[in-house]
Amino acid sequence: QKEVEQNSGPLSVPEGAIASLNCTYSDRVSQSFFWYRQYSGKSPELIMSIYSNGDKEDGRFTAQLNKASQYVSLLIRDSQPSDSATYLCAWTWAGNNRKLIWGLGTSLAVNP
Amino acid sequence: GAVVSQHPSWVICKSGTSVKIECRSLDFQATTMFWYRQFPKQSLMLMATSNEGSKATYEQGVEKDKFLINHASLTLSTLTVTSAHPEDSSFYICSARLTGRVDGYTFGSGTRLTVV
Repeated sequence: QKEVEQNSGPLSVPEGAIASLNCTYSDRVSQSFFWYRQYSGKSPELIMSIYSNGDKEDGRFTAQLNKASQYVSLLIRDSQPSDSATYLCAWTWAGNNRKLIWGLGTSLAVNP
Repeated sequence: GAVVSQHPSWVICKSGTSVKIECRSLDFQATTMFWYRQFPKQSLMLMATSNEGSKATYEQGVEKDKFLINHASLTLSTLTVTSAHPEDSSFYICSARLTGRVDGYTFGSGTRLTVV
């Protein structure tokens, strides 16, 4: 069974701090990893995708992938109250119509 | 680019009636469409995968006769909830896979279904 484990939180950080979100996944053949942000009542929006080991930075967001340890993380620097949302990690692999395997989501609250 | 337009955004229906949700790809061809359901404070649950021109593949536990999926063209996929009951009240989201693009999933804006 291909799965993703994600701490549901809630994670609370003060404004300006670094928020760290983590996921572990079950299968070494997984290929593509995604972080989505979802505001209440809205559909998910892509924050970051990562495919290779190491770090990938985009503005205040950094995704980190470690395939040997089977984890992927998302760092949010200089957290803002507008970052308060649920963050979902997901992964997929070649085959099975590339269905996304979703984590349960981590609720992040950034306190002013 | 790569926008999926989902309608309606919300709908209230009486128990026993059917509701159709549409997802249209506006500027690309959606070969594969995924349909999700999400209950409050839970993650997305995949209901089915549809490929244009063929029957949808349903996930275990999802009733194919209750949740009818049609993907007759590369720009339109529909989900019909038949004989809806209050327990079908949920947030339904479609997502299209973007072939040839590694970031390749785009989501509709979701439909909030309330069955009374």
